[in-house]
Amino acid sequence: QSVLTQPPSVSAAPGQKVTISCSGSSSNIGGHYVSWYQQLPGASPKLLIYDSNQRPSGIPDRFFGSKSGTSATLGITGLQTGDEADYYCATWDGSLSAVVFGGGTKLTV
Amino acid sequence: QVQLVESGGGVVQPGMSLRLSCVASGFTFTNYGMHWVRQAPGKGLEWVAVIWYDGSQEFYADSMKGRFTISRDNSANTVYLQINTLRAEDTAVYYCARDLYGTNIWGDYWGQGTLVTVSS
Repeated sequence: QSVLTQPPSVSAAPGQKVTISCSGSSSNIGGHYVSWYQQLPGASPKLLIYDSNQRPSGIPDRFFGSKSGTSATLGITGLQTGDEADYYCATWDGSLSAVVFGGGTKLTV
Repeated sequence: QVQLVESGGGVVQPGMSLRLSCVASGFTFTNYGMHWVRQAPGKGLEWVAVIWYDGSQEFYADSMKGRFTISRDNSANTVYLQINTLRAEDTAVYYCARDLYGTNIWGDYWGQGTLVTVSS
């Protein structure tokens, strides 16, 4: 059971938009920044979003993040088949003094 | 170019110990904390531990406390993960990832992972 809750799967058609939610509590998302990672099949994770809504250089603006209260959201617009991957949210949990991950969401395009 | 290269994985018997290594290159290692994250076959990412840029602090996932020890050698640009009394449930790919000190940017680079299989 993960500390952060994500839907196990989401799907959308190519070109459409999808959002992935990540729900936590005041000790984690409510008080800390959220990161999002993409993991393509057979690959290492890749940072998509940090500071809840910032993109590292090289990440297209089709990927965006937001946070409100104890929940965070990753959005992807203009979906491409190459976006099919597992997506994970993560943040610091002040009560646990540990990084916590969501269980991951499998995106099907 | 930034590189993180893990090694030390393999097939080990339950109860044995293992030390994983992650060698960093292409960046100033002492500006970065370092994480270990693992992924059991077909499962999600599970955070293991982090060590501060200067080795002054370490934090562990609750389930890892006691058997796992993270350490680093800044002269060798290397972070280690010692795992004692290995169990079948420790079977996973173990990744290292860097964490820029003073920011919330972590995991912008990951290694390719090293597979640990615990089996008799």
